[in-house]
Amino acid sequence: KAGVTQTPRYLIKTRGQQVTLSCSPISGHRSVSWYQQTPGQGLQFLFEYFSETQRNKGNFPGRFSGRQFSNSRSEMNVSTLELGDSALYLCASSLAARVGYGYTFGSGTRLTVV
Amino acid sequence: AQKITQTQPGMFVQEKEAVTLDCTYDTSDPSYGLFWYKQPSSGEMIFLIYQGSYDQQNATEGRYSLNFQKARKSANLVISASQLGDSAMYFCAMREANFGNEKLTFGTGTRLTIIP
Repeated sequence: KAGVTQTPRYLIKTRGQQVTLSCSPISGHRSVSWYQQTPGQGLQFLFEYFSETQRNKGNFPGRFSGRQFSNSRSEMNVSTLELGDSALYLCASSLAARVGYGYTFGSGTRLTVV
Repeated sequence: AQKITQTQPGMFVQEKEAVTLDCTYDTSDPSYGLFWYKQPSSGEMIFLIYQGSYDQQNATEGRYSLNFQKARKSANLVISASQLGDSAMYFCAMREANFGNEKLTFGTGTRLTIIP
C-alpha cells in the first residue's frame, strides 16, 4: 500500500513569490491535514480537509490556503512568501477525522525562502 | 496553556538500555487520543503507538509501550532495549474529539541519542 506522497521534496523560492505544495494521501483516506514545522515554533497545524471541505484551520494568515480534490489529493498554497515561511511542511492523511483514527505522515516538503 | 508538555529536550542513553520519554497533556475533553511519533533526520514523522482515553490497558507495539496514567494526565513512551536506529526526535501528540478541535497538537519533542 503506497504511503502519503508529498511533492516536491525540496523547494527554494524568492520572497514575494507564491508556492504550491502537493499531497497524495493513502488510498481510501479522506482526511488530509497540513502542518508547518520550524525550529522556533515547532509543529503547528495549518488546516484539515475532509471530503473536499475544510473542517479546521490553524492560526495562520490568509496567505496560507489549501484545497482538496475529489480524489482526496490536497494542495496547499502560500502567496507572497516571506523569509519566515521557510519550514518543513508535512501532510498527514487519516481514514476519518475522528478520535481513534491515526494520521500517517508524508516525508514533507522542505521550503526555503531566500 | 500548553496542551502537550515534553520536559526533556534531549536524552542520551546507552545502547540496549530502556528509556522513558515523558509526556503530560491537558484537556477537558473526556474523549481523546494520544500518539507518539518518531522523526529521524530525514523529516518523516513515523507513527509509533496510540492510546485512547477510554482504553483500559496500556498500549504496546513491539519494543514500544505507553505508560498511560489518566488521573495524572501522563502518557510516557517506554522503549525497551534501545538500538542505534532509535536516535531521532520523538513527539507526543493529542487529538481531541471536540468538533473543530480534532487536529493533532504536538509537544516540543525530545531528541534521543543512543550511545554505542
